[in-house]
Amino acid sequence: DAGVTQSPTHLIKTRGQQVTLRCSPKSGHDTVSWYQQALGQGPQFIFQYYEEEERQRGNFPDRFSGHQFPNYSSELNVNALLLGDSALYLCASSSGTLNYGYTFGSGTRLTVV
Amino acid sequence: GQQVMQIPQYQHVQEGEDFTTYCNSSTTLSNIQWYKQRPGGHPVFLIQLVKSGEVKKQKRLTFQFGEAKKNSSLHITATQTTDVGTYFCCGGSNYKLTFGKGTLLTVNP
Repeated sequence: DAGVTQSPTHLIKTRGQQVTLRCSPKSGHDTVSWYQQALGQGPQFIFQYYEEEERQRGNFPDRFSGHQFPNYSSELNVNALLLGDSALYLCASSSGTLNYGYTFGSGTRLTVV
Repeated sequence: GQQVMQIPQYQHVQEGEDFTTYCNSSTTLSNIQWYKQRPGGHPVFLIQLVKSGEVKKQKRLTFQFGEAKKNSSLHITATQTTDVGTYFCCGGSNYKLTFGKGTLLTVNP
């Protein structure tokens, strides 16, 4: 049973560029959430997708956008990259019940130079 | 918005000693979840607490949810080197997790 798969694992981008990160949820999960984790901090909620719609959004600017596909996989897009966007981006999937919590992927380490 | 605070930020123990981390929320929580993140790893779900005053045990780990549902604690008995990592408490919902900053536990063998 595959867990959450994220790609790529590492990425280096230049300020002002755009980036797309990808996530395949755990088998049986229909909800995908994205989190940003700066070094030494707890993950911060970006947004959640369910039934191909953004269901809830955290305090992130419109430069952060996403998409969910019919097969429940998801993309996170960040435009006009800033140095401060350098972080570990985590995808988490879940199903209707939270008894088993969220399943996190290994993340994409984004470095903006 | 909801804020979740954890203390201590860091804890270093000798192997075999006990360890406790405390979590406080600015608002009443419908539930609380605990995650462990190993160095260089990703958060891994440990447990969810839902009921006021609830206590759950997983081997050497004991989790408590406060009567007012605004605080929680994680206690590890007789720590082992495999316990190393950052422990996060989170206010949970179907829509988002609000993470605390975590407690980094290091264990000296």
